[in-house]
Amino acid sequence: KAGVTQTPRYLIKTRGQQVTLSCSPISGHRSVSWYQQTPGQGLQFLFEYFSETQRNKGNFPGRFSGRQFSNSRSEMNVSTLELGDSALYLCASSRVGNQPQHFGDGTRLSIL
Amino acid sequence: QKEVEQDPGPLSVPEGAIVSLNCTYSNSAFQYFMWYRQYSRKGPELLMYTYSSGNKEDGRFTAQVDKSSKYISLFIRDSQPSDSATYLCAMSGDAGGTSYGKLTFGQGTILTVHP
Repeated sequence: KAGVTQTPRYLIKTRGQQVTLSCSPISGHRSVSWYQQTPGQGLQFLFEYFSETQRNKGNFPGRFSGRQFSNSRSEMNVSTLELGDSALYLCASSRVGNQPQHFGDGTRLSIL
Repeated sequence: QKEVEQDPGPLSVPEGAIVSLNCTYSNSAFQYFMWYRQYSRKGPELLMYTYSSGNKEDGRFTAQVDKSSKYISLFIRDSQPSDSATYLCAMSGDAGGTSYGKLTFGQGTILTVHP
């Protein structure tokens, strides 16, 4: 059974640009959550989508947004990139929102 | 104060040792408790998943949850060099409202098992 797939694995951007990250959940999983991981703050919850609806959102500015498609695939977008946005962005999927979450290997975003 | 506290280590043990990893938490709404293992350049891998208080065993791994003390533990028996990784505790409340799809993580403990 294929796991959670995130693309791309690595991205380098400059300040002010925007970026879109993609996540394909495990087949049959309808809930997709996104997290930001940094050495200083650890893993922090960004938002969760279920059946194309955002059900929960963490404490991040509006520059961070996401969406989910009818096939449960999800994208997150970060606009007007800042140096502090450099992080590993992780996507996790589960059958429903509070069942065990399974993670992808993340997208490493570096801002120059 | 963070909702979940975890000693970041690092923790270094010899092969074959019993390893004890711990987290404390402050939010009494947490009902689901997980342990993840994360290797360098990889995403977290689910090791253990428990609901409410009690013990759960899976091979060399045992998870314990004590909700009255707001304390969870992971024990690794007969530790191997391949267990060297960062171990993350994570928790969530019942589905609904601000708990939907949200795991709250500890900072992670870096474990090295040397031959």
